[in-house]
Amino acid sequence: QAVLTQPSSLSASPGASASLTCTLRSGINVGTYRIYWYRQKPGSPPQYLLRYKSDSEKVQGSGVPSRFSGSKDASANAGILLISGLQSEDEADYYCAIWHISAWVFGGGTKLTVL
Amino acid sequence: QVQLVESGGGVVQPGRSLRLSCAVSGFTFSNYGMHWVRQAPGKGLEWVALIWYDGGNKYYADSVKGRFTISRVISQNTVYLQMNSLRGEDTAVYYCTRDHYNSGDFDFWGQGTLVTVSS
Repeated sequence: QAVLTQPSSLSASPGASASLTCTLRSGINVGTYRIYWYRQKPGSPPQYLLRYKSDSEKVQGSGVPSRFSGSKDASANAGILLISGLQSEDEADYYCAIWHISAWVFGGGTKLTVL
Repeated sequence: QVQLVESGGGVVQPGRSLRLSCAVSGFTFSNYGMHWVRQAPGKGLEWVALIWYDGGNKYYADSVKGRFTISRVISQNTVYLQMNSLRGEDTAVYYCTRDHYNSGDFDFWGQGTLVTVSS
């Protein structure tokens, strides 16, 4: 079982909100981790969005709009990237990451389609 | 402005070696941990290696441990990735990225350099 699991795809309408999940493997407690989020558009390197550990420990990437926010669902053992007011330019691949046992681990990515 | 420019990619036969370079500018190099992250064609991101801001520690993905070596030369503002015993599964775009004092915020990335391992 992968350390981080993301749905492979998600579709949402312009103006709506999208909730992208990053589920940690059983036995790895989401509460103890910083969850990092990146966006990647075709042909471009990834772009840092934000990191979230708690409401008191979170960082927004420089220039990243406030409609991108992080949270956690402890019951699901998952980190969440919420994108509100979806725009066509938000269509991209989204990756989560954590630092786990002396290595960085990325999730498999979610392809977000805005249509 | 901040720049990270990778070079050294190309086509290489299995079992051979290649050294990638990442030249940086626009920020204080010694304040940043440096990473290599790769992306195989049509696949997701895979972290490869990290060297601390002070060069004091290095970490590697299990998939490259013992074959790849990360290093940095402060005076040259450059980070390197020496890749030995290359395999087909090492074929990927290799990105260089930074994080401030090992914060984990990979806030700037290079454009990447393509490594193709093929006979």
